[in-house]
Amino acid sequence: DAGITQSPRHKVTETGTPVTLRCHQTENHRYMYWYRQDPGHGLRLIHYSYGVKDTDKGEVSDGYSVSRSKTEDFLLTLESATSSQTSVYFCAIGTSWGNEQFFGPGTRLTVL
Amino acid sequence: QQQVKQSPQSLIVQKGGISIINCAYENTAFDYFPWYQQFPGKGPALLIAIRPDVSEKKEGRFTISFNKSAKQFSLHIMDSQPGDSATYFCAASPESGGFKTIFGAGTRLFVKA
Repeated sequence: DAGITQSPRHKVTETGTPVTLRCHQTENHRYMYWYRQDPGHGLRLIHYSYGVKDTDKGEVSDGYSVSRSKTEDFLLTLESATSSQTSVYFCAIGTSWGNEQFFGPGTRLTVL
Repeated sequence: QQQVKQSPQSLIVQKGGISIINCAYENTAFDYFPWYQQFPGKGPALLIAIRPDVSEKKEGRFTISFNKSAKQFSLHIMDSQPGDSATYFCAASPESGGFKTIFGAGTRLFVKA
């Protein structure tokens, strides 16, 4: 987890409320990713970023938006949280030249 | 969506035994095959990875075996230890396409002391 932090680490919220998760890196890597992890599904890509203000959708992007205004920060927003978004969310970073990804410690989100 | 199918879902091995986890992929454009290890409450960590120009890669007690024609690869953990108890994920991605990485569903390994 060195060089990658996520906040908050745990959050409980109610259906319909907005939620923002933050990922912060100190490695100056170009690529940043948001995944969700659910039992039986492994890790599924929500959104990724390939530079400041450059983002694109992943496999399960519906209901999520992202922003990257600085190289080191990548925000994931649930505009109106639903119970189906209860999950563990992981941020990852990666270099431009390789496929290796380095994961943060995760955020456990519960939507009641 | 191209899949990476991982088996078994769970595995119990005696201390000192060999743990074997298998993965199969579909997309022939994949050329990077990593394995990640995840302990409870932690993020996945890269354990070992292989590219299809070799059939085997070994790092300590961990070995990846790769069969390009069968589109299968596997993780072997020799002399399994209780500290190896974790969830293991295989993955596959095309060259320089980290954002196209597809993960397997994971295998929960428990090593009995």
